[in-house]
Amino acid sequence: DADVTQTPRNRITKTGKRIMLECSQTKGHDRMYWYRQDPGLGLRLIYYSFDVKDINKGEISDGYSVSRQAQAKFSLSLESAIPNQTALYFCATSDFSQGTQYFGPGTRLLVL
Amino acid sequence: DQQVKQNSPSLSVQEGRISILNCDYTNSMFDYFLWYKKYPAEGPTFLISISSIKDKNEDGRFTVFLNKSAKHLSLHIVPSQPGDSAVYFCAARAGGTYKYIFGTGTRLKVLA
Repeated sequence: DADVTQTPRNRITKTGKRIMLECSQTKGHDRMYWYRQDPGLGLRLIYYSFDVKDINKGEISDGYSVSRQAQAKFSLSLESAIPNQTALYFCATSDFSQGTQYFGPGTRLLVL
Repeated sequence: DQQVKQNSPSLSVQEGRISILNCDYTNSMFDYFLWYKKYPAEGPTFLISISSIKDKNEDGRFTVFLNKSAKHLSLHIVPSQPGDSAVYFCAARAGGTYKYIFGTGTRLKVLA
């Protein structure tokens, strides 16, 4: 089984709709991250969390919110989706002793 | 402002030859650097890393070189294999934080 899972893997939604992307991990890591990838822009950090009570904005947090429901679960919400939020979204985890991040398989989101 | 730059969007190399992927950074506070490989429809996977206290790290066919004075790192793959065909991202982290800044990626194609 995959260590970092994301649901859904693909989603098509309409402008103005609320959508939630979910991430779960079985690695026991305390740190979790949400990134988006756009063509030619690499991966950009949306939000990150160092534990259940610690949530931090990344470089592009506008239009997004997150919830850390448990150590193993970190959800990303788009309260009112817009077309320029069409992208590939990745969740990642790491622990305090390592610099390596482990990524989920990604969620491809299309906002019409 | 792109703090981590991968100026070559793509690279083609013959099987068995050396692949050299380059990455430049601007922030002198970065002290830990990583390379990730990404196949289509999958999340990035960790490949190799290097701390700023070193100038070289080797793992099998993969070697990362760091030139701090030039703020430049490179990934060497020797010998290149068709299975190495993927997008490669470099990433950097500033000391005392767990925020990673990613480059835009280089697509490597190894020709059989």
